[in-house]
Amino acid sequence: SQKIEQNSEALNIQEGKTATLTCNYTNYSPAYLQWYRQDPGRGPVFLLLIRENEKEKRKERLKVTFDTTLKQSLFHITASQPADSATYLCALGTGFQKLVFGTGTRLLVSP
Amino acid sequence: GAVVSQHPSWVICKSGTSVKIECRSLDFQATTMFWYRQFPKQSLMLMATSNEGSKATYEQGVEKDKFLINHASLTLSTLTVTSAHPEDSSFYICSARDRGRTATNEKLFFGSGTQLSVL
Repeated sequence: SQKIEQNSEALNIQEGKTATLTCNYTNYSPAYLQWYRQDPGRGPVFLLLIRENEKEKRKERLKVTFDTTLKQSLFHITASQPADSATYLCALGTGFQKLVFGTGTRLLVSP
Repeated sequence: GAVVSQHPSWVICKSGTSVKIECRSLDFQATTMFWYRQFPKQSLMLMATSNEGSKATYEQGVEKDKFLINHASLTLSTLTVTSAHPEDSSFYICSARDRGRTATNEKLFFGSGTQLSVL
């Protein structure tokens, strides 16, 4: 069966450290993968997109890697800040229209 | 960036009543909008794809007569939960793509969501 797995347990880190979140998938062949941030009671906000032929993408303190052999994406936040605390969702794009979302990982950054 | 406005942000209703949720693209035209449902600590589940001027496409297991979708213009889609019951209580979120953007036009712009509580 098709699955998108993200760590269900919250990730607790200290301010200034690098947070690394994992997204693993099975039985999908995504053309691209996206990461979103979601705050409680709010809709997700787009962060980064990485395509199947790209290994790495960066945007300011954010870095995403995409390994289609391992079927895994890693999402890094460097120099993390308490304001980065949120739930982060990965989403697979298998066609132009639909995105399939993972369950998300909650990140807590302590001062 | 593109803005999607969703209204209301929360609603409480009695069992058996109908509730309408609006989703508007404020600064772009959205020929396609998507409606998601999210339970606490769970993923966004796609309910249906709303197409301007035509019938919505519903995902497997979603009752089209229960969740009525109307996409009458390029900037407005509505979701009506008919004869709501407590099990319909959930967080409903709409989203759209800005087809006018040529770069990364696969990304979705989300509304702020509607928390529905059915008593």
